[in-house]
Amino acid sequence: EVQLVESGGGLVQPGGSLRLSCAASGFTFSDHYMDWVRQAPGKGLEWVGRIRDKANSYTTDFAASVKGRFTISRDDSRNSLSLQMNSLKTEDTAVYYCVRVFSGGYFDSWGQGILVTVSS
Amino acid sequence: DIVVTQSPDSLAVSLGERATINCKSSQSVLYSSNNKNYAAWYQQKPGQPPKLLISWASTRESGVPDRFSGSGSGTDFTLTISSLQAEDVAVYYCQQYYSPPHTFGPGTKVDIK
Repeated sequence: EVQLVESGGGLVQPGGSLRLSCAASGFTFSDHYMDWVRQAPGKGLEWVGRIRDKANSYTTDFAASVKGRFTISRDDSRNSLSLQMNSLKTEDTAVYYCVRVFSGGYFDSWGQGILVTVSS
Repeated sequence: DIVVTQSPDSLAVSLGERATINCKSSQSVLYSSNNKNYAAWYQQKPGQPPKLLISWASTRESGVPDRFSGSGSGTDFTLTISSLQAEDVAVYYCQQYYSPPHTFGPGTKVDIK
């Protein structure tokens, strides 16, 4: 069974940094692109970013709203995904989901999500 | 960026009746080399993460009841729930995965009338 478990969320002040982690199990992690998706309280889904696999040089893409502030990394030896968030803004407050990308790019497995609150 | 819109914003349908949700992308998500539409549908119930229902515009995910169906091509897509059940109350999102950013529609809330 595919499992994705996020950790590292919490309260941070504007301008601060936070690092989210996602522990993956139940599948061959290294074979998949991995994404982060977020959802502000009471709002819809917003794609945050992607990291590709080793065959695609671990390249990344980001939404314009986070580009230059967020980075994504992965450790295939530990089946782990990370989202480093810097220069956080109040509008980054959201539940962040770790997501497995399947086949051509749809999101077939989601973590339970972790809440990040940016507030003074 | 590809903009994804949905209609209606919300709808209320009687149990056993049909629910139809529309999705439109600002440019075609049909990839000509493989003739596949890079569109998916997700269901999100309160307090839960989204769940994949449909990929490639019309391929139902394993375990998804056959009352859910997807159709459409190019820029226009539809999710149909043929006979609404109480457990189908949720917000439904359309998404394009043709090109980054992999945008979602704003969601359609489905309730029981």
